[in-house]
Amino acid sequence: DIVMTQSPDSLAVSLGERATINCKSSQSVLYNSINKSYLAWFQQKPGQPPKLLIYWASTRESGVPDRFSGSGSGTDFTLTISSLQAEDVAVYYCQQYSTSPWTFGQGTKVEIK
Amino acid sequence: QVQLVQSGAEVKRPGASVKCSCETSGYIFSFYSIHWVRQAPGQRLEWVGSINGGNGNTQYSQKFQDRVTITQDTSARTVYLELRSLNSEDTAVFYCARGGSYFDSVNGYERPAEFFQHWGQGTLITVSS
Repeated sequence: DIVMTQSPDSLAVSLGERATINCKSSQSVLYNSINKSYLAWFQQKPGQPPKLLIYWASTRESGVPDRFSGSGSGTDFTLTISSLQAEDVAVYYCQQYSTSPWTFGQGTKVEIK
Repeated sequence: QVQLVQSGAEVKRPGASVKCSCETSGYIFSFYSIHWVRQAPGQRLEWVGSINGGNGNTQYSQKFQDRVTITQDTSARTVYLELRSLNSEDTAVFYCARGGSYFDSVNGYERPAEFFQHWGQGTLITVSS
């Protein structure tokens, strides 16, 4: 199974500041034939299902604010919130959909400093 | 719009079985797979298995393979998760989720992809004696 490891486990950021979350996969999730990394990011608030933010490592889902961006390729990925808002307090997960079983990171809790 | 509506919470004894449902609407049922994901308290999201809406083929995580069955009723657009031999680790919220798609520019058609674009509201399963 591909193991997804996120860092940090939690972070506290001031309103309006940048938040950066990293995700590392135990093997590459890049398909060279189509030059796409099979990596998604989700946001989960308490009592709610996860919400898709980013797929193909950097494609923003429709309706997601442009302060959320994804980058990376192969095994190393980053989710950036450029200017943290109060409503961004949540747990964020990465997921690989390159190889079954589809696996998730352990989550990163984002709070306001 | 795409909707996935799950059945209500259940309380079960250890060793019992549970069957949850996920009623779908708003998209071409046969094109996408429906997945089940477990979220135990304080644990990461964990993929349980999936079913292809077109041909009914199933895939299961090795961790659950011996005690899980995923089925579908295509006329009712509903997918079912049956989990047997419940234990305390199964006290969790179970989500159904639908995959996404992308345009294959090489071959000129839309293809499914297994990023989880739409989610049900979750079903809480409590296993307790």
